[in-house]
Amino acid sequence: DTGVSQNPRHKITKRGQNVTFRCDPISEHNRLYWYRQTLGQGPEFLTYFQNEAQLEKSRLLSDRFSAERPKGSFSTLEIQRTEQGDSAMYLCASNLGQGATEAFFGQGTRLTVV
Amino acid sequence: GESVGLHLPTLSVQEGDNSIINCAYSNSASDYFIWYKQESGKGPQFIIDIRSNMDKRQGQRVTVLLNKTVKHLSLQIAATQPGDSAVYFCAENTAAGNKLTFGGGTRVLVKP
Repeated sequence: DTGVSQNPRHKITKRGQNVTFRCDPISEHNRLYWYRQTLGQGPEFLTYFQNEAQLEKSRLLSDRFSAERPKGSFSTLEIQRTEQGDSAMYLCASNLGQGATEAFFGQGTRLTVV
Repeated sequence: GESVGLHLPTLSVQEGDNSIINCAYSNSASDYFIWYKQESGKGPQFIIDIRSNMDKRQGQRVTVLLNKTVKHLSLQIAATQPGDSAVYFCAENTAAGNKLTFGGGTRVLVKP
């Protein structure tokens, strides 16, 4: 499968715990995006990377959220001290970079905070 | 702030009929628009795109129309099939392509 891969597909965690998600983009893609999607809503932009550099962060990305892409390939999104409001689908997308306006999405990680 | 939105949250259509999904956008700086299809439990899947210098683009069974005067775009699906049942999102981007901004989605239900 050469598409965007996300792991795990589902995560249930207790409030206050930390969680980490992984995204493996399409191999030749320079840009990697994280989005959050709640039920019935469109995906909301969180942050994006150009190679290993994190170039933009949304105001939605509180200080409990951190994303990394250390080698410019896969990325991780960590949420510390999870809250029930963090329950959502976390989507990763990638593309070839500037000028490539379309993005290819993974299947997402469904987070449920209980 | 700038936003992309949809007029109809749910659209029921008879199998074989044509579907039209509408979307309004407010960011006049956007010059690239995309329609995505999202099935339950899956990520958004690209359907068709259009640049702001065009007013119509056709794909296989799908057509996107762009009216920049009223900041409106639509997705037409010809001969709607059960496999077309999904939530459809419009999204916008700029030429720099930094990020997509999505609307709230329209659910299409295809009746047999």
